[in-house]
Order: sequence, then structure tokens, then C-alpha cells
Amino acid sequence: GIQVEQSPPDLILQEGANSTLRCNFSDSVNNLQWFHQNPWGQLINLFYIPSGTKQNGRLSATTVATERYSLLYISSSQTTDSGVYFCAVDGGSNYKLTFGKGTLLTVNP
Amino acid sequence: GAVVSQHPSWVICKSGTSVKIECRSLDFQATTMFWYRQFPKQSLMLMATSNEGSKATYEQGVEKDKFLINHASLTLSTLTVTSAHPEDSSFYICSARTHRGPNEKLFFGSGTQLSVL
Repeated sequence: GIQVEQSPPDLILQEGANSTLRCNFSDSVNNLQWFHQNPWGQLINLFYIPSGTKQNGRLSATTVATERYSLLYISSSQTTDSGVYFCAVDGGSNYKLTFGKGTLLTVNP
Repeated sequence: GAVVSQHPSWVICKSGTSVKIECRSLDFQATTMFWYRQFPKQSLMLMATSNEGSKATYEQGVEKDKFLINHASLTLSTLTVTSAHPEDSSFYICSARTHRGPNEKLFFGSGTQLSVL
């Protein structure tokens, strides 16, 4: 099956700093989503981005499908950004997402 | 965005008992729902795909008699952990597929933390 690798596994930032999270995948995808899992376990859908670039406030994402990677940018980080960020992909058309292992982000005040 | 409600959010049970977890799509119809399992500090692993009106499709290594899935309506899927044992303790999350808008997405419930004593 398709493999998903995320980096870095852990990231510690001071409030206000910027960061870039990376997601590499092993095959072409029809669906790629970025999620934020808060400390209570809730998964929040950040971006649906199988290709191209999107922005939502302080967050933006870029997927270069031909090179099989996606990047999530967080600018001016806040303590509420803390949590685990997952990249998930689907190489078929049945929406069976394969998740990466996530990046644990800690933003300190 | 679409709302997926999952209940209960937290349950403790004795070993040998069964636990039912509900996943509801509140403002859309979901012909397909998915059940995931997450161990502490690990990623989400797909357990099964739940299709309305038909039998669920289980991933390799997931016991279908242990994890019973019912998707009787377009807005409700249930996961029943039968004869639960401590090794079944985990965080279970459901998701539903929506066709709303130009981009198809998966939206997730808030999860259920199961602790089996």
C-alpha cells in the first residue's frame, strides 16, 4: 500500500515563530488532507489539497503531486496551534485514508 | 463544515462486556463511514469501511466478530466492541465522507476513549 512519511516527528517553537511540516508519499494520490489533532483527540480538517496551494489565515499548504510531497506552513504560531498534525492520503477512489505518523508540535508562550 | 457526532466520548467497562459507539452525520447523508483506531502517541489505523445497507469491509487483521459494525441508515453507523478485553483499550474515531462542495472530504467525530478494566 501507499506509504506516508512525515517530518519532523517533533517540533518545539516559541510563540510567534514560523514552521514548515513535510509529508512525503510513495505513490500518486487522489486525496490528500492535513489534520490537526488537539490534545483532547479531536481531529480538525485543515486542508483538502491533492495538488496546488491553499491558504487559510495563518496556515497554508502546498502539494507538489509530481514530486509526491506536501508542505504545511504555520506562520506566527500560537499556543493553541499545539497538537499533532497528520497528513493522510488516498491513492485510490474509495477514500480509505492512510495516515502518516504525525508531527507533534509544541508552541511555548 | 459538515458535522460528525460521536458518542460516547469516554467509556470504562469491565472485561467481557460489550460496548457500542455511535457515529452520526448531523447535517448530511453519509453513504460511507470509516472507523479508525488510535493507540497512544501513534497514528490512526483504518479498521473498517461502513457502507449503508450492506456489510462492512474490514481491513486485514481486524476481527469482524470482535468489532461489529452496523450502518443501518444514511446518518448513523455503530461500532460494537464485543467481549471487550484490556487490549481493546484504545481511542476509536469515526469519519464520514461528504460530497458537499467542490472537494470531497472526510470529516471526523470527536473520538471515543475506551478503557477496559
